[in-house]
Parts: sequence; C-alpha cells; structure tokens
Amino acid sequence: AQSVAQPEDQVNVAEGNPLTVKCTYSVSGNPYLFWYVQYPNRGLQFLLKYITGDNLVKGSYGFEAEFNKSQTSFHLKKPSALVSDSALYFCAVRESGATNKLIFGTGTLLAVQP
Amino acid sequence: DARVTQTPRHKVTEMGQEVTMRCQPILGHNTVFWYRQTMMQGLELLAYFRNRAPLDDSGMPKDRFSAEMPDATLATLKIQPSEPRDSAVYFCASGWGANEKLFFGSGTQLSVL
Repeated sequence: AQSVAQPEDQVNVAEGNPLTVKCTYSVSGNPYLFWYVQYPNRGLQFLLKYITGDNLVKGSYGFEAEFNKSQTSFHLKKPSALVSDSALYFCAVRESGATNKLIFGTGTLLAVQP
Repeated sequence: DARVTQTPRHKVTEMGQEVTMRCQPILGHNTVFWYRQTMMQGLELLAYFRNRAPLDDSGMPKDRFSAEMPDATLATLKIQPSEPRDSAVYFCASGWGANEKLFFGSGTQLSVL
C-alpha cells in the first residue's frame, strides 16, 4: 500500500535561515508527489508537485522540493524562511495507475521565529 | 477567484442527530474528494468521486456515513446518526484530472455533543 511519512511533528527555524521539511514515501510504481500548506482555520493549499522530469521542483511562495528516487524522499525546502511561512505542511502521494487517491502524511508544523 | 465552497462552516449537534455537509466544487472540475481532519488521525480520505461517480469510499464508515453527488455542482456528506467521535473538520476538495492539484474548501467544523 502506498504511504507517506513526515518524520518531524515540528520544525523550528529562525527567519532568514534555510528550512527543510522532510518527507519519505512508499509506493509501487512511479510516485506522484505533492506538497500542500495549511494556514490556521483554512483548507489546504497546493504548493508544488512532482510527476516526472527534473528532480528539483519549484513551487509557490519560493518553495522548492527535491525528488530523490534512491532515498524515496521528497523534502520541501526554502532558502530563506519568513515568519509568514509558519503553517502546517503536508506531503502527499498518489500512485500512478491506481484509483488516484491522494494520501497525505501526518503534517509538519513549521514555526519561523523572528 | 474560483473556490470550493463548503457549508456550514461550523455545526454543533447532539449525538444521534443527522448531519449534512455540502460542497460546491469549482465549475469544470471532475473530481471531488471528502477528507476528515483530526489531531489524532490527521487527514483521512473518506470518499472520492470522478465525473460524479463514486470511485472509492473505503475510508468511510458505511453504517453511518454516506456521500453523494446529485449533480455536478453539489456534493454532500451525511452522517446519521452522528456520534461524538465524528467531531472533526471535514474538507471537500475538487480538481481536474488525476495529477492536477486539488483545491480545498475552508472546511466544516463539526462538534457532536
């Protein structure tokens, strides 16, 4: 069964520093990977996706993610964190050729200190 | 901006009552998902429709939950009878195609007393 893991419940980073939010996945077949962000009392918003092609994917708000097939990882990164980046981040995976369900990780709370 | 609309935003009810949550997907989208979010379980997929046909509802307790799409502009999620353990935020999301991004509504915060 496909699954996605976010090993960190919370990531703390100082404003201006680079940030990384980790995600690993387990699928049979080619993975389709996504990152979403959730601000308080809001629904999730799409950040970026990896379907095929370049392993480095650029998304909204200056975020990017690197697909690493050998490590089955899809970590979210940003070179310089902003206080406004503080939110709950979800990694998700959809298995190709299956029912196309989108399975989310447990989420990582990103806290950016001024 | 086009958006997914969910009603009501908040619902407080007593155990045993019927609860109906509604979702208006973005016009033109052909997939609709219902998710439930709790602190303990995170985001759980309850049901999934494509072109109004239910494709997967394996995550939904069948004895009390039902999901339908009576037309392309409306998706409903019903709980009958409701129980305190159903308290959660229920999100609807819509999209186009299997690998395109999903657009989420603001959710229905359900409290069952």
